[in-house]
Amino acid sequence: QTVVTQEPSFSVSPGGTVTLTCGLSSGSVSTSYYPSWYQQTPGQAPRTLIYNTNTRSSGVPDRFSGSILGNKAALTITGAQADDESDYYCVLYMGSGIYVFGAGTKVTVL
Amino acid sequence: EVQLVESGGGLVQPGGSLRLSCEASGFIFSSNWLSWVRQAPGKGLEWVADIKEDGSEKYYVDSVKGRFTISRDNAKNSLYLQMNSLRAEDTAVYYCARRRPTYYLDYWGQGTLVTVSS
Repeated sequence: QTVVTQEPSFSVSPGGTVTLTCGLSSGSVSTSYYPSWYQQTPGQAPRTLIYNTNTRSSGVPDRFSGSILGNKAALTITGAQADDESDYYCVLYMGSGIYVFGAGTKVTVL
Repeated sequence: EVQLVESGGGLVQPGGSLRLSCEASGFIFSSNWLSWVRQAPGKGLEWVADIKEDGSEKYYVDSVKGRFTISRDNAKNSLYLQMNSLRAEDTAVYYCARRRPTYYLDYWGQGTLVTVSS
């Protein structure tokens, strides 16, 4: 069973930069997995941030960016703001119609 | 404006059944893949099922195969999830979402809560 790995938590100072990663328990993440990223605050539906590795969804501020770093997908928040405090999930397309979400990263801005 | 509105959640006993619905508007329903994603209380997101535009292809996470059935009615702009043989671990908020051709979800409903408990 393939596991998608994410850091459990990160803390970032206001105005700071943080990079979250999305890896595989076995193997490397590439663009062929079509990594996408979602932001979720408690009690709310997820919001799409990034798709196709590095394309920002409509209305997403440019302080959010996606990339492949080494063998993982990455989401970077540059110039973090208080309302970026959320849970962030990546999802990878495994082929054959199957998707796997990571367990999520809780980002605290303080 | 794209809208997805789920309904049908509630309390059901283990072994019971429930049918979730998702009514869509603001886009050409019959031209889009659709998905169900769930989130257990205090836990992360889990993809559950996908269905092709015409309903000819369906995919499921292993844990629901044989118990859940995804379907759609393009004439009614509605997506469904029939859930049978429900277990406590199926307790979650269930979201419907529009799936784009390059394997991401761009619009989400607000979710409907399913609680499986005796």
